[in-house]
Parts: sequence; C-alpha cells; structure tokens
Amino acid sequence: DTAVSQTPKYLVTQMGNDKSIKCEQNLGHDTMYWYKQDSKKFLKIMFSYNNKELIINETVPNRFSPKSPDKAHLNLHINSLELGDSAVYFCASSQGLGFGEQYFGPGTRLTVT
Amino acid sequence: QKEVEQDPGPLSVPEGAIVSLNCTYSNSAFQYFMWYRQYSRKGPELLMYTYSSGNKEDGRFTAQVDKSSKYISLFIRDSQPSDSATYLCAIYTGANSKLTFGKGITLSVRP
Repeated sequence: DTAVSQTPKYLVTQMGNDKSIKCEQNLGHDTMYWYKQDSKKFLKIMFSYNNKELIINETVPNRFSPKSPDKAHLNLHINSLELGDSAVYFCASSQGLGFGEQYFGPGTRLTVT
Repeated sequence: QKEVEQDPGPLSVPEGAIVSLNCTYSNSAFQYFMWYRQYSRKGPELLMYTYSSGNKEDGRFTAQVDKSSKYISLFIRDSQPSDSATYLCAIYTGANSKLTFGKGITLSVRP
C-alpha cells in the first residue's frame, strides 16, 4: 500500500495554463506539506497544513493555492503557469506539528513549455 | 547566507570507501538534525536524526553534530553501490515547525 501518493506523476503543460496536483496519504497523519525541488535538487517547503488548517505559507506566488478538503488530502492548484514553475513537487505528511519524520510522496514532475 | 549550507557535489567514490557528507547551519535555534536519502526519481526518506551534539550510529551510518560550530556530518563506512543517491541534510526548529533542507549532494559509489 502506498503511504503518500500523488497524481499525476508527470505533467507537461504550456505557459499560462492552470493545473492541479493531488496528494493523498493513508498513514493517518494530521499534517501535510508541499515542497518544491528545483533542478539542482534544492528542496524547499511551500505550504503545510495541520488538521486542514494552513500553518506554513512560505514566500510563494499567490498563483499557487493549496486546498485541504480533509486530513488525508492536500491538493495544489497553480494558475497561470510560468517557465520557472518547472520543478518536481513533493507532497509529504507527518504526525503532529512538532518534530517528526516526514513521509514523502513520489513527486510530480512539472514541465512548463 | 542560507540557513543551511551543504557541501557541493557530485561525489564519486569507489566501493568500500568511507564517505563524509557535511552541512553547516546559521541559526542556533535549530533543534533537530536529520539526514534524508533520495534515490533517483523517488521522494526523500529519513535516514537518521539526532538532536544533541555528538555521534549517533546506525549500522554503516554515523550522524555527527557539533552545535558549537553549527556543523553536521554524515559518515558512511564501507560504502556500497546501493548507497548511490542524493543525501539531504535537514534541520528542524520548533519556532516555525518547519524543516529546512540543505541543497543535497549526489553520491555515486562505483563497484
């Protein structure tokens, strides 16, 4: 059973389009995250939600909007895609807000042309 | 200065070598220190963590933290081709409940 799953795995789209990435975890965790990893492998947090409440909102363009319909799901919607949005986006989950192991999904490789 | 700096790579070593991977950090409020391993086309997975200065050993892996120097290291003994991956140091602070990652270093262990 996959612990943290993301769809789609690959996403190729043109500039200006709007796209969504979905994430689901079956670990019973109450905290979920979105990270962006650039081509140089630098992994940076974008958002985190705890019990559907937004906790971390890093300096991310407001074209990015996360939505958490329930504790097991955290989706990421991106409006007006730009070339610089090309990256791998990882969803992760953990139990609680404090220190704890974060479990990562397999990533969604977004390519904007 | 970035909050977490990691030695640049990539790094290529022969099988059996001892590998040393290093990170420095700037914020003395950082509390927990982790190493994540990421295989190609996969998500990162937690390898080891520690919260105090000193060494922590797990099989062939040793995590070392020096809080006075704000320096963390991961040592891999008897490296194997299966250790070939990207290694990311990550540091947690309770102040904002987030993990801050280093840039990652890609290790290749040649048979």
